Amino acid sequence: TQLLEQSPQFLSIQEGENLTVYCNSSSVFSSLQWYRQEPGEGPVLLVTVVTGGEVKKLKRLTFQFGDARKDSSLHITAAQPGDTGLYLCAGENSSASKIIFGSGTRLSIRP
Amino acid sequence: KAGVTQTPRYLIKTRGQQVTLSCSPISGHRSVSWYQQTPGQGLQFLFEYFSETQRNKGNFPGRFSGRQFSNSRSEMNVSTLELGDSALYLCASSIRRDSGEKAEAFFGQGTRLTVV
Repeated sequence: TQLLEQSPQFLSIQEGENLTVYCNSSSVFSSLQWYRQEPGEGPVLLVTVVTGGEVKKLKRLTFQFGDARKDSSLHITAAQPGDTGLYLCAGENSSASKIIFGSGTRLSIRP
Repeated sequence: KAGVTQTPRYLIKTRGQQVTLSCSPISGHRSVSWYQQTPGQGLQFLFEYFSETQRNKGNFPGRFSGRQFSNSRSEMNVSTLELGDSALYLCASSIRRDSGEKAEAFFGQGTRLTVV
């Protein structure tokens, strides 16, 4: 069974600080997505990484796919209260036509 | 381009009743997946439909069922509702290339089901 572990589960930091969220698995994924979800809403796709070692930037967010395509990280620079939410990673196993979701990291940014 | 549309947004049912939730995928997306999200269990995969056929299924009891229509719209049904079925039910659509590969999923806003 493929599993995606996210860490930390909860994170509360001060506005302006930097943070990193991790998504790890023992399985190889053909691609990996990061989503952000606000309470009562559906997850919103932030980015997809496909190539091992790939780095993508979205304003203050930097996403990296591990060289072996088993793990990923999300780094936020100078966090803002608007970054608050549940961050989910999801790995795609194209051979099994499945998407596996991580358990999520709940991020809270204090003003 | 319209996003994924789920109806209704909110629903309150009593134990023992049944419920049907609807999902209209993004135009051109042929794969629809359903998820149950609760604070304790996170995002749990229910099932996936493609070309009106169930392609993948999660570990949920037979009370949970679904179907997909020829226009790719999907419905999910839960019979004999239990208190523990209270959750946010999310639908996600994606392009599923004929080779079987699946691209990223785009989610609807979800249906908040409360069973009392």
